[in-house]
Amino acid sequence: GNSVTQMEGPVTLSEEAFLTINCTYTATGYPSLFWYVQYPGEGLQLLLKATKADDKGSNKGFEATYRKETTSFHLEKGSVQVSDSAVYFCALYSSASKIIFGSGTRLSIRP
Amino acid sequence: KAGVTQTPRYLIKTRGQQVTLSCSPISGHRSVSWYQQTPGQGLQFLFEYFSETQRNKGNFPGRFSGRQFSNSRSEMNVSTLELGDSALYLCASSQGDPQSPLHFGNGTRLTVT
Repeated sequence: GNSVTQMEGPVTLSEEAFLTINCTYTATGYPSLFWYVQYPGEGLQLLLKATKADDKGSNKGFEATYRKETTSFHLEKGSVQVSDSAVYFCALYSSASKIIFGSGTRLSIRP
Repeated sequence: KAGVTQTPRYLIKTRGQQVTLSCSPISGHRSVSWYQQTPGQGLQFLFEYFSETQRNKGNFPGRFSGRQFSNSRSEMNVSTLELGDSALYLCASSQGDPQSPLHFGNGTRLTVT
């Protein structure tokens, strides 16, 4: 069946550091891929998405590229800020299955 | 436009009781899905409703049930509550196709004592 494997956290970085959170998936067909972010006390918010191979999703300085050859959708940001501290979830959704979330990666940014 | 609204925000119940949670989706969204979030198990899918029909279901016992009304509003019911049901319950709405993102509410925090 479909699955999402996400980098274990917590991840702690200094402000302005480079961020990578790894995400790989297993799926039949051609799923859509998403990154969601959850700030303390809130529900999840869509951060970015990609719906087909080689698509790059981007938002708020974050980027992720849908790589079918490596079945990956790694999240990157060139210079993180304290306000980026949150839990990040990778997810996939195909018409054949319910949406599947990764386990989440807690990110803490030190000033 | 208004976001996804979940009520109540907090609930405290005792073991054996039942509880009903409510979710109002974004106007025009026909799909509503429910998730349980706990520190140990992460984010787990409960079920999805689309146009009043359950379209997908996760691996939860029959004590967890839901329904969707003609205006797309949804309710989730948990009967015979157990301590392990303590969690944040999140509802999300979407257009219902694979390319459409989910829009989440802020959740209902259920505590079972």
